[in-house]
Amino acid sequence: DTEVTQTPKHLVMGMTNKKSLKCEQHMGHRAMYWYKQKAKKPPELMFVYSYEKLSINESVPSRFSPECPNSSLLNLHLHALQPEDSALYLCASSSRQGGYGYTFGSGTRLTVV
Amino acid sequence: QQPVQSPQAVILREGEDAVINCSSSKALYSVHWYRQKHGEAPVFLMILLKGGEQKGHDKISASFNEKKQQSSLYLTASQLSYSGTYFCGTEPRGNYGGSQGNLIFGKGTKLSVKP
Repeated sequence: DTEVTQTPKHLVMGMTNKKSLKCEQHMGHRAMYWYKQKAKKPPELMFVYSYEKLSINESVPSRFSPECPNSSLLNLHLHALQPEDSALYLCASSSRQGGYGYTFGSGTRLTVV
Repeated sequence: QQPVQSPQAVILREGEDAVINCSSSKALYSVHWYRQKHGEAPVFLMILLKGGEQKGHDKISASFNEKKQQSSLYLTASQLSYSGTYFCGTEPRGNYGGSQGNLIFGKGTKLSVKP
């Protein structure tokens, strides 16, 4: 299995809702990442997990809460989002943190209304 | 610390060549190259870890000048399938010579290959 699977593919949520994005990989990768991508912009790093521990938080607002329950799974919990948080949320994984290519999932397109 | 890519956009005819450049103001541990087609995820092309390293597969290759903190992606004899946005990503070098562990993407180069 050489894929990163993200669910759901599309999500519309209100500003008072709580939702979660899910990311799964079975390649034995020990580093996993969340990126945010706005239209016609590059992906922006949000969080890095290495061996299931949070390694980097790029000063992301607390309304985004990551979780890594095991080495194959990465979640992003969303609460009280703003319309400007609407974007494509990409999950990626790599063998280790640093010096390895990333495999990206196809993303969750999030719309906050 | 975002790397700078140039050009912003390129239009080619099938069979023509292109070069995309990426430069950083920080010391680098590695440079990555990705291609993203519209509505799809970025796809990993290659990673360069050592100064002077060159890599390639098919007709796409890249080089890395560690001293100048620059990398270039070379696309030769372009095909329609090469169309997309190309991103370089840089991993800054940490205090002890290893990676800082964060991959930062440049703004991208939109490549369009016409028949």
